[in-house]
Amino acid sequence: EDQVTQSPEALRLQEGESSSLNCSYTVSGLRGLFWYRQDPGKGPEFLFTLYSAGEEKEKERLKATLTKKESFLHITAPKPEDSATYLCAVRMAAGNKLTFGGGTRVLVKP
Amino acid sequence: DVKVTQSSRYLVKRTGEKVFLECVQDMDHENMFWYRQDPGLGLRLIYFSYDVKMKEKGDIPEGYSVSREKKERFSLILESASTNQTSMYLCASTTGRGITGELFFGEGSRLTVL
Repeated sequence: EDQVTQSPEALRLQEGESSSLNCSYTVSGLRGLFWYRQDPGKGPEFLFTLYSAGEEKEKERLKATLTKKESFLHITAPKPEDSATYLCAVRMAAGNKLTFGGGTRVLVKP
Repeated sequence: DVKVTQSSRYLVKRTGEKVFLECVQDMDHENMFWYRQDPGLGLRLIYFSYDVKMKEKGDIPEGYSVSREKKERFSLILESASTNQTSMYLCASTTGRGITGELFFGEGSRLTVL
């Protein structure tokens, strides 16, 4: 069964304290891994798409990387405004849908 | 900017009531989706649609139906609401055939069934 697991479930950081979020997947024939950010009471907002192992994408303090079994979202020197839930999702070779992980809630304290 | 608008942010309904959740997108997207989001379970796909009058079941379609009479509008229907359908419902859309992964989401409709 295809699965997407995110860890940790929650992360508390001090402002400036860099850390990484993990998204591991057991899907056959990955056709893309996607990161989203979700603020409380809002819908998810697209961040990145990664297609192949070794690929990296960056946006401000966020950097996403991909291996054959997992993806990492690195948050460098986070600020309180980076506080959100970060979701990853995968698209499999067969079918046209995304499978989401459970998310990581990040709280950055000033 | 793409805008996906969900008609109701908060709803409270009673068990057995019929519930309509409406979603409208303004970017002429072919694909539209309904997800529900529950703590610890992530987003789960209920139904999706690639075109007008077309629908496909997602992972958890039981107890739900959908309607897409116009390209910009995708409605989720709970024929007889039950307490286990209390959840956050999220509508999303994207362009093109198939799924690019870059979904545009609405702000969600939080449904409570008493």
